[in-house]
Amino acid sequence: DIQMTQSPPSLSASLGETVSIECRASEDIYSNLAWYQQKSGKSPQLLIYYASSLQDGVPSRFSGSGSGTQYSLKISGMQPEDEGVYYCLQGSKYPYTFGAGTKLELK
Amino acid sequence: EIQLQESGPGLVKPSQSLSLTCSVTGYTITSGYDWSWIRKFPGNKMEWMGYISYSGSTNYNPSLKSRISITRDTSKNQFFLQLNSVTTEDTATYYCARYEYSGTFDYWGQGVMVTVSS
Repeated sequence: DIQMTQSPPSLSASLGETVSIECRASEDIYSNLAWYQQKSGKSPQLLIYYASSLQDGVPSRFSGSGSGTQYSLKISGMQPEDEGVYYCLQGSKYPYTFGAGTKLELK
Repeated sequence: EIQLQESGPGLVKPSQSLSLTCSVTGYTITSGYDWSWIRKFPGNKMEWMGYISYSGSTNYNPSLKSRISITRDTSKNQFFLQLNSVTTEDTATYYCARYEYSGTFDYWGQGVMVTVSS
């Protein structure tokens, strides 16, 4: 299985601060990576697909980048509604595998 | 609007089978895409369990070995999860979701919490 190492496990950001979350794959996943946000009690919501494509309806402060084994999600200007748990997911090889999640809180 | 909704018992006894239904509205499951089951364990770990494709083929996570089966009823536009011989480690929130490509699950159900306990 492809292992997805996500960091940091948690982070606290001030209003307007720029935040980055990283995912490293155990092998090349050829940009077949998506980012999800999950708010408490809700199902995950797709933010970014194919490493850097913004899902329709997602605010432009979210962006994704990376290639090969290294990927990142950036939030440019933390907002209160951005609190939640963020996951990366690789769709390059079966079984699809998730990162362990990053809990983001507003400071 | 595409909607997915999980249903099923919230409590299952150890060694028994867990059976869940995903009802899809707004899209016909035989028209395209893969239709997956995903679960989230207490403590945030997420696991993709498997899918049934629009054509009816299936693909399962090897970690679930021979315990899992995903089937469908095209007349009701539903697909199903059966997980056999459950243990307390199968306690999780179970989601159904539509898979497009490259890791993209674009529509999710609201999730159903299942506890395995005697």
